[in-house]
Amino acid sequence: QKEVEQNSGPLSVPEGAIASLNCTYSDRGSQSFFWYRQYSGKSPELIMFIYSNGDKEDGRFTAQLNKASQYVSLLIRDSQPSDSATYLCAVNDYKLSFGAGTTVTVRA
Amino acid sequence: DAGVTQSPTHLIKTRGQQVTLRCSPISGHKSVSWYQQVLGQGPQFIFQYYEKEERGRGNFPDRFSARQFPNYSSELNVNALLLGDSALYLCASSLISGGAVEQFFGPGTRLTVL
Repeated sequence: QKEVEQNSGPLSVPEGAIASLNCTYSDRGSQSFFWYRQYSGKSPELIMFIYSNGDKEDGRFTAQLNKASQYVSLLIRDSQPSDSATYLCAVNDYKLSFGAGTTVTVRA
Repeated sequence: DAGVTQSPTHLIKTRGQQVTLRCSPISGHKSVSWYQQVLGQGPQFIFQYYEKEERGRGNFPDRFSARQFPNYSSELNVNALLLGDSALYLCASSLISGGAVEQFFGPGTRLTVL
């Protein structure tokens, strides 16, 4: 079983819609969870991180964590064409363990 | 302040050769991590250095080695290159080493092995 698994893409959403990205992890002891955005040909860019159960909001992004279900998600509200990228979920226990990523395309 | 810098940007080598990749962390950051990203996959952890000491090593062969210098910059060396080493090599910088610590990536070095 892979440490971190993300829902397979690609995910296509219309402009202005909500994009929902999901991620599960295998190590119940994991404490820190990070979301990165990666544009084609570029390096990953940190969007946000979450440590506590519940929701964390930052602008149009909301991260949700449920440690009992070993599940973390990222919601992108009011999706824009500039949000089209691959989104990487990672567990951080000093080293980042990434999922394979979910590619999101926002249709204008 | 400047972000994480890496050099070179691109590199083409042939099988069996050796390569050295360089990374300078964000000013004030004392930890550097190296990741390998193959097309279509998430980055895979190779090494982490903190205060010039190896903090951890991923599941990579001994052909891969690294070090961190007193100014916290770092080098990743790969010997006896294989075709499968072709990838984007990413350096990440963080203030310290730990789980609840943000890691910021440099632009990467694209290595092509022919």
